[in-house]
Amino acid sequence: RKEVEQDPGPFNVPEGATVAFNCTYSNSASQSFFWYRQDCRKEPKLLMSVYSSGNEDGRFTAQLNRASQYISLLIRDSKLSDSATYLCVVNANDYKLSFGAGTTVTVRA
Amino acid sequence: GAVVSQHPSRVICKSGTSVKIECRSLDFQATTMFWYRQFPKKSLMLMATSNEGSKATYEQGVEKDKFLINHASLTLSTLTVTSAHPEDSSFYICSASGGVAGRDGTEAFFGQGTRLTVV
Repeated sequence: RKEVEQDPGPFNVPEGATVAFNCTYSNSASQSFFWYRQDCRKEPKLLMSVYSSGNEDGRFTAQLNRASQYISLLIRDSKLSDSATYLCVVNANDYKLSFGAGTTVTVRA
Repeated sequence: GAVVSQHPSRVICKSGTSVKIECRSLDFQATTMFWYRQFPKKSLMLMATSNEGSKATYEQGVEKDKFLINHASLTLSTLTVTSAHPEDSSFYICSASGGVAGRDGTEAFFGQGTRLTVV
């Protein structure tokens, strides 16, 4: 089983729509969780960290469910500029970060 | 935010030659640097972790004699792909952390990546 698994998508949504997707992780001892955004042929950039209580940053909401071992990302009022691949990143083994394969989101006009 | 500079961004080399990729942290001391490889539409695969002043820790299946990593200072790590072959063609990306990435929530900052093509 992969350490981090994501629905690859793609999620094709119209502007203004809400899109949400999950990421599951296998190591119950994982402590830190992040969502990164990666544009085509670019380096990943931190979108937001995920805290135990869940957190919100503008149109983006991240939640953590330790019991079911998944994190989620919800994007409200989608913009064209939100089109990207969203990487789920988990501190799965001490200091090493494990990356999911990414969820592709395409926002259309 | 912190800046990590990776160079070169793109390189084409002949089979059998060696290629060196540099990763520099510009405004912080990177005690830990990570080297990843990414195939098209795939996730980042950790190749190795290097800590300043000590030997790199390689992931299973990564040949340490082929992918030489040097982390001689707190601001510079290098990855050398030795005797490159076409199957080494990939997107290589480094990340640097001032602390221990992930353990205390310290963000890892990524370089811009290097697209290596071996012909």
